[in-house]
Amino acid sequence: GDSVTQMEGPVTLSEEACLTINCTYTATGYPSLFWYVQYPGEGLQLLLKATKADDKGSNKGFEATYRKETTSFHLEKGSVQVSDSAVYFCALRRGHNDYKLSFGAGTTVTVRA
Amino acid sequence: NAGVTQTPKFQVLKTGQSMTLQCAQDMNHNSMYWYRQDPGMGLRLIYYSASEGTTDKGEVPNGYNVSRLNKREFSLRLESAAPSQTSVYFCASSEVMGGNQPQHFGDGTRLSIL
Repeated sequence: GDSVTQMEGPVTLSEEACLTINCTYTATGYPSLFWYVQYPGEGLQLLLKATKADDKGSNKGFEATYRKETTSFHLEKGSVQVSDSAVYFCALRRGHNDYKLSFGAGTTVTVRA
Repeated sequence: NAGVTQTPKFQVLKTGQSMTLQCAQDMNHNSMYWYRQDPGMGLRLIYYSASEGTTDKGEVPNGYNVSRLNKREFSLRLESAAPSQTSVYFCASSEVMGGNQPQHFGDGTRLSIL
């Protein structure tokens, strides 16, 4: 079945450091890929998405590129801020008409001033 | 902008008690979902409702029931709570199912079963 594997956390960084969270997936066909972010005490929010190979999603300084050859969708940010402290979830949807989102386990990121 | 509103935010139950988690959205979305979030496991879909009047099982439906009361509201019921149901529960909605429509999440209900 479909699955998403994220790098385990927690990850602790200093402000202005570079962040990379690895995400790989297993799925048939051509899934859509998503990154969601969960700030403390809140629900998940869509951070960015990519719907086909080589697409790059970007938002709030974060980027992720859909790599079909390596089945990956790594999240990157060049200079993190304290406000980026959150839990990040990689997710996939198998197909255009599929309701189901398959989530990774989540990666907790803490940015220190 | 309320978005997706869940009540209550916190609840403690004893084993065997019943309770209903409430969810309402004000975005005129057709599809609604209930997830549970457990440490190290991401989110797992319990039930979903593609449109008003329909509900279907997700990955982990055992021990739960749902009601799509109207287009706005989608409730989750635990008939006889068990410690294994201790979790954080999230309700979500989307304009339609599938496609590239994002799901919008509520802030969660933290449920502890003693």
